[in-house]
Order: sequence, then C-alpha cells, then structure tokens
Amino acid sequence: QKEVEQNSGPLSVPEGAIASLNCTYSDRGSQSFFWYRQYSGKSPELIMSIYSNGDKEDGRFTAQLNKASQYVSLLIRDSQPSDSATYLCAPRGRLTGGGNKLTFGTGTQLKVEL
Amino acid sequence: DTGVSQDPRHKITKRGQNVTFRCDPISEHNRLYWYRQTLGQGPEFLTYFQNEAQLEKSRLLSDRFSAERPKGSFSTLEIQRTEQGDSAMYLCASSLAVSGAGNTIYFGEGSWLTVV
Repeated sequence: QKEVEQNSGPLSVPEGAIASLNCTYSDRGSQSFFWYRQYSGKSPELIMSIYSNGDKEDGRFTAQLNKASQYVSLLIRDSQPSDSATYLCAPRGRLTGGGNKLTFGTGTQLKVEL
Repeated sequence: DTGVSQDPRHKITKRGQNVTFRCDPISEHNRLYWYRQTLGQGPEFLTYFQNEAQLEKSRLLSDRFSAERPKGSFSTLEIQRTEQGDSAMYLCASSLAVSGAGNTIYFGEGSWLTVV
C-alpha cells in the first residue's frame, strides 16, 4: 500500500464547477496535512493546510479531513482555467530534531475547461 | 525576493560527471530540506538540516549524494558520478523551527538535472 494515494487523473471540470480532489494516507500517526498546487515545470506552492477533523475554508478552497477514515480532500469552487495544475496531497511526519517530513502523493492533474 | 533561491535552475551533464546545486533558504529559516521529483511523481524527501546539522537522510540518498550546510545558511547538494536515473528536479525547501502553522515548508523553484 502506498503511503499516500491520489487518483492521477486527469480530472476535467467545466469552468465555474466544483472540483473535488481526494487523498488517502496510511500513517495513522499523521496529524497535519497539506495541499500543494504545482503548475507544469514549476515547484509546489502551498495552498491549504488542515490539522483538525472537519472542514477548513479559504476563499474558493475547502479542505476536508477525516482522520478515522484516513482521508483528506480538497474542494475548489468556481473553478477557473488558472486552477489547471497538479494538486499534491502531503501528510506531515516528524523528523529527528522536530523537523517536518512531507510525504507526497503522485498528485491529481486537474483540467478546467472553458 | 525573499523566497527560497536555487542555482542553477537547469543543468545538463554527461553521465559520470559531478554536479553541485546550491540552495539559499528564506532568511532566518533554520530548517532546510532537499527533495527530488521525477516526472509524474510527487517530491520525495532526501535529507534535512537544522542549522548546520544534517539530522536525517533518506535511503534514497545513495553514497554518490552528499549535502552540506556549513554555516547554517545556504546548502549544497552534490551528486558524484551522475547516472541517467539521477535526472530529476531537485527541490530545496525551508521552514522555521517553531510549532504550528509557523513551520510551513516553502519550496524553491527547483534545479532541473538532465544526465545524458
């Protein structure tokens, strides 16, 4: 079983629709979770973090976390063509000395169509 | 620009040559990370520094790879005797050594390596 599983896509949604991106993880000890957006040829850019079960909203983005089900999702409302990118889910683990290790999934490619 | 800076951005090298990448973290960030990303995959953790101390290394980091952060500021990642399988984007990231949201990890633009 992979540590972090995401559907690689591509997920195609029409402009203005809601895009739903899902992620499951295997480490029950994970306490915090991050969503990064990555445009083709660019580095990952943090868009959301979530630490507690439930929903967290930031603008058009909503992250949802269910630790019992080891499931985290990202909803993008009113999807725009500029949202077309790969979305990476990353639970955070701990490193020696307190550092944070992000374990990334392969990412879901989102395409927002005009 | 106060983000994580990486140099060079692109490097093409012949198999067997050595390459070195440099990373300048965000000012005052005492944690520094190196990740590697190949096409179609998410970034994979390579190694991590807190100040000048290298505290963890992934099993992915073979003995051809060495990383340093001599003064606790910039870091270098050297790959000796490069192989075609080393072709990837090498990402540097940094964060503060605090708890909570303040320790968000920020990535640099990445250094692309192509081994021919």
